[in-house]
This record gives sequence, C-alpha cells and structure tokens, in this order.
Amino acid sequence: DAGVTQSPTHLIKTRGQQVTLRCSPKSGHDTVSWYQQALGQGPQFIFQYYEEEERQRGNFPDRFSGHQFPNYSSELNVNALLLGDSALYLCASSRTGVQEKLFFGSGTQLSVL
Amino acid sequence: KNQVEQSPQSLIILEGKNCTLQCNYTVSPFSNLRWYKQDTGRGPVSLTIMTFSENTKSNGRYTATLDADTKQSSLHITASQLSDSASYICVVSPWTGGFKTIFGAGTRLFVKA
Repeated sequence: DAGVTQSPTHLIKTRGQQVTLRCSPKSGHDTVSWYQQALGQGPQFIFQYYEEEERQRGNFPDRFSGHQFPNYSSELNVNALLLGDSALYLCASSRTGVQEKLFFGSGTQLSVL
Repeated sequence: KNQVEQSPQSLIILEGKNCTLQCNYTVSPFSNLRWYKQDTGRGPVSLTIMTFSENTKSNGRYTATLDADTKQSSLHITASQLSDSASYICVVSPWTGGFKTIFGAGTRLFVKA
C-alpha cells in the first residue's frame, strides 16, 4: 500500500517562473492538503481539496493555486515565483471525517534563485 | 489568536539519555493534539494522537502527556537513540475542523554518541 507520494523531490527555479508540484494521496484517502514549510519553521497551511474543489484556504496569495483530479491526486501551482517561495512543500492526505489522521508525503524542496 | 508554542527550540542529548519536549497551546475549543517526528527534508510522521479526554499516549519509547486544563502537552523520549535526531512538531486541531489545524515550529533534537 503506497503512502503519499510527491514529485518532484527537488526543484530549482528562477524568480518569475511558474512551478507545478504533484501529489498522489494514500490509498483510500479523498482529501489532500498542501503545506509550505520554511527552514526551521512548522508547516503553514496553503489549502485543502476535496471532491475536486478547494474547500479551505490559508493566508496565501492567489499566485498559489491548485487542482484535484477525479482519482484524488492533486497539483499545486505557484506563479510569478519569489525568492521567499523557497521552501519544502508538503502534501498530506486524509479521509473525509478523519481529519486528525493526516499522512504526509516526503515533500518537494523548491529553491527559487 | 490560536497559537502553538514549543520549547526548547533545540536540544542536544547523549545517546541513551531521556528527554522531554514541551508544547503550550491556546487553541480553543480543542479537539485533538498530535506529535509528529520530522527528519530533515522529509515529511512529518505521526507519533501520537490524543483527544481532549486523554491524558497520556505511548508509542514505543515515545510517551505524550496532555493537560487540557493548563493547555500543555509534553513528549517524553526514553533511552534516546541516534535515529531520534529529528524535529518534533506539536500539532493542535480546534473543534471546528482539521483544516484549521495549527502546527508548532518544532523542537530540533540532536542525539550524540
């Protein structure tokens, strides 16, 4: 049973570029949440997707957008990259109604130069 | 404002010794509290989950305690091993739902031989 998988593991971009990160949830999970984790900080909630719709959003600008597909996998898109977007981006999946059981992927380390 | 504060920020101990990490929160009403272990550059892995009615929960050498009256939790690690070197993150969910979950900044633990 595969857990949460994220791709790519590492990514280097330059300012102004756009990036797409991908996540496949754990088998049996239908909800995907995305987090940004700066070095030495705890994860910050970006948004959550359920039934292909954004259900809740954290305090992030519109440059951050996402999508969920019918197979529950998800993408995180970031436009007009800034140096401050450099971070570890984590995807977590869960089953509806069982929010406390979050399973995290290994993350995508994004570096913006 | 809902907050989760962890102490110490970092800790160095010798292999085989015990240690205790602290978590204070102001989240209210409170649903559950979780402790995660996060290796560098990896996603967090759940160690324990406690609801407001639970006082203690163990997972091998990890024991978490919760005092809902004082809004404090601790994670005790017994007979530390080199592989315990990681960040330990306290995560608190309010009664309103999982996507309002708040992550602490973590305690960075270094176990030395």
